Amino acid sequence: QSVLTQPPSASGTPGQRVTISCSGGSSNIGGNYVYWYQQLPGTAPKLLIYRNNQRPSGVPDRFSGSKSGTSASLAISGLRSEDEATYYCAAWDDSLWVFGGGTKLTVL
Amino acid sequence: EVQLLESGGGLVQPGGSLRLSCAASGFTFSTYAMTWVRQTPGKGLEWVSGIIGSGGITYYADSVKGRFTVSRDNSKNTLYLQMDSLRAEDTALYYCAKIYSYAVNDAFDIWGQGTMVTVSS
Repeated sequence: QSVLTQPPSASGTPGQRVTISCSGGSSNIGGNYVYWYQQLPGTAPKLLIYRNNQRPSGVPDRFSGSKSGTSASLAISGLRSEDEATYYCAAWDDSLWVFGGGTKLTVL
Repeated sequence: EVQLLESGGGLVQPGGSLRLSCAASGFTFSTYAMTWVRQTPGKGLEWVSGIIGSGGITYYADSVKGRFTVSRDNSKNTLYLQMDSLRAEDTALYYCAKIYSYAVNDAFDIWGQGTMVTVSS
């Protein structure tokens, strides 16, 4: 059971906008930044969003992050086939890191 | 180019020990915190341990506290994870990752490819 709660799966068609939620508590999301990682099949995770809503260089602006209270969301607009991956949220929680269980995104 | 290369994984019996290494290149190693994250095949990510740039402060997940020790040699640009009293549930792909700042509570911005640890008799 992960400390942060994500839906196990999500799906969308090319061009659509998809959102993935991440729910936590006051000690993690409520009091700290949220980070999002993308893991393509068979590869290492990659940083997608840092400090709630910042994109590293090279990450398309189709990806955006937001946070409100003890929940956060990752939005992907203009969905593309190469976005098919598992997405993880993470937050610092009182001297340790916690992850969500991951959301497997399928592009139909 | 920033690179992280893990090594040291393998098959070990329950109760045994293993030391993982992560060789870093392409950045000023001592300036950044580092971390270990593991992933059981087919499952999600689990944070294991973190260490600040100087090595003076370390952090551990409850599941490994007292059994695993993270350290770093800034003169060799290398991160280590000493794993003792290994259990079957420690079986996973272990990734090292660079952290975006000197402290541990920031983004994991660069990841290695991982090294597999299998604990089995």
